Amino acid sequence: KAGVTQTPRYLIKTRGQQVTLSCSPISGHRSVSWYQQTPGQGLQFLFEYFSETQRNKGNFPGRFSGRQFSNSRSEMNVSTLELGDSALYLCASSMGTGSPYEQYFGPGTRLTVT
Amino acid sequence: DAKTTQPPSMDCAEGRAANLPCNHSTISGNEYVYWYRQIHSQGPQYIIHGLKNNETNEMASLIITEDRKSSTLILPHATLRDTAVYYCIVKGGTASKLTFGTGTRLQVTL
Repeated sequence: KAGVTQTPRYLIKTRGQQVTLSCSPISGHRSVSWYQQTPGQGLQFLFEYFSETQRNKGNFPGRFSGRQFSNSRSEMNVSTLELGDSALYLCASSMGTGSPYEQYFGPGTRLTVT
Repeated sequence: DAKTTQPPSMDCAEGRAANLPCNHSTISGNEYVYWYRQIHSQGPQYIIHGLKNNETNEMASLIITEDRKSSTLILPHATLRDTAVYYCIVKGGTASKLTFGTGTRLQVTL
């Protein structure tokens, strides 16, 4: 079974631009969560989608948004990019939401904002 | 979700068992213990999880104490490829949010 895939793997953007990242979950998985990883803050939860509905949201500004499609694929968007948005963005999928389901992570998209 | 405490770093010789401890003294009855690891610059990898019974899979064993206040992840025969940061996460409820701490940096050496 194929794992979680994320595209693109690497991205360079300029301050003020916007960016869209894509995540394809493992087949049959309906929950997709997004995380941001930076050296200073570690791994932080952004949001979770289940059945096309946002279930949970982390403490990030409104510039960070996401959506999920009927095939469970998900995208996240960051508008008006700031230098501090440079990070590894990780997507994780699971069969259901919450415990005891385990989450499987993709390889991440490394975003650099210049 | 209950807070966890892990040692910041550990060393293990290749071929030996690596025993990674985790304290979670405020765990509640419906919270699971999850273990993930992250090899440098890769996405975290799910290892194992459990509620109160000991669990084993092809990667590792999870030993949870009877009072559930602590647990140990055991990698039975560590290899160099097991060098990574290991995260112990306690989670319950209906949300999928994982709260990652600083984890234990395991260094496997020859």
